[in-house]
This record gives sequence, C-alpha cells and structure tokens, in this order.
Amino acid sequence: AQKVTQAQTEISVVEKEDVTLDCVYETRDTTYYLFWYKQPPSGELVFLIRRNSFDEQNEISGRYSWNFQKSTSSFNFTITASQVVDSAVYFCALSDVYGQNFVFGPGTRLSVLP
Amino acid sequence: DTAVSQTPKYLVTQMGNDKSIKCEQNLGHDTMYWYKQDSKKFLKIMFSYNNKELIINETVPNRFSPKSPDKAHLNLHINSLELGDSAVYFCASSQDRAEWRPSTDTQYFGPGTRLTVL
Repeated sequence: AQKVTQAQTEISVVEKEDVTLDCVYETRDTTYYLFWYKQPPSGELVFLIRRNSFDEQNEISGRYSWNFQKSTSSFNFTITASQVVDSAVYFCALSDVYGQNFVFGPGTRLSVLP
Repeated sequence: DTAVSQTPKYLVTQMGNDKSIKCEQNLGHDTMYWYKQDSKKFLKIMFSYNNKELIINETVPNRFSPKSPDKAHLNLHINSLELGDSAVYFCASSQDRAEWRPSTDTQYFGPGTRLTVL
C-alpha cells in the first residue's frame, strides 16, 4: 500500500530563515507522481508542484525548491528566506501514474514568526 | 473572474438527505477533481474526471457520485448523508492530457464547500 509520512507535525521559524519540510513516501510502483500542496490559515488549497518519478532533477521556483531523492524515497520542500505569508499547512502526496492510489501525508504546520 | 467556483459555500443538512455541490471552471481545462478534507484536516482525493475517464478512489462510498454535464462542470451528488460526511469539499481542475505529462501540471482549486450533517 502507498503511504506518505510527514514526520514534522509543526515547525516554527523566524522570518528570513530557511526551512525544509520533509516528506518520505512508500510505494511499490516504479513510476509515480509526487505532489506538494499549501493550505494557508484562510483555508483554501493551493497546488504547488507535481513531479513524476522519472525526473530526479531538483526544481526551483522563486524561494521554493524541491529535492527529490529516489534512493531515500524522499521529496523534501525547502523555503528560502521564509516570510510570514508562508505560514500554512503543507501537504505532501503520492499517486500512481493513473491518478489512482492517491494518498496524502498528514501535513506539516509551518509558522513563520515576524 | 473566478477560475474555479463552487456552490454553495456552506451546506447544513440532516442525516439521510440527498444533496449536491456544484463546481464550475472557466479555464478550459480537461480534468476536474473532488477532494475531501475532514475535521482533522486529513485530505483525500475522491475523484478525478476528464471527458474520457472517471477515476474513483476506491475508499469513496458509492453514495457519492460525480456528474459532469459538460467539460466545465463536475458536480458532486451525495445520497443518504451520514454524520461522517461532514467535511470541507474542494473542487479543482487542471489541464491534463492523455499522453505523458510534463513534471508540473497546476491544479486550480475552488474555495471549498463546508458540509455539515446534523
């Protein structure tokens, strides 16, 4: 069965610090998708990234970067120079290539303090 | 203009009733989704649907059924509502294609519908 673990329940950092959110997954599939989503305190869901397992290149988007390590089954998310607006719950997720067996991690609540 | 809209925003109803939540996207996307977030904030995808295929999360009870009158709409019908159905339901859409997709394919979410079953 597929599983996603986000071991960090809550993280607090001070503005401008870098922070890494961990995501470890389990799957028997050789090809799959990984995702990150953000949910700010206002409650809406924001899609951040989808990565397929063929592509192990790290991805950077502004202050956000993702480190995909197939060897350790991890897909970690780093925010550089964090800002108060980054405060949110972040969810990591995994699906097979057909969009089935889609599982979310429990989320990590990030608080960025001014 | 709102990209993905849901109605109603709040829905309070009695156990045993049948209800629907509507979702519309004006992005011209091919694929739409329904997600459920329960009271403990756990997220689950319920369905993904494009004009060719409906993918159902096998854990979703058959009381839940998506209905798509056209590509821009994916409504969620729930029969015989139960207390455990109380949750926030999010609709989303993305420009998916049948062939292998690039590494990022953004999903756009609606604002959510908070369903309370009494």
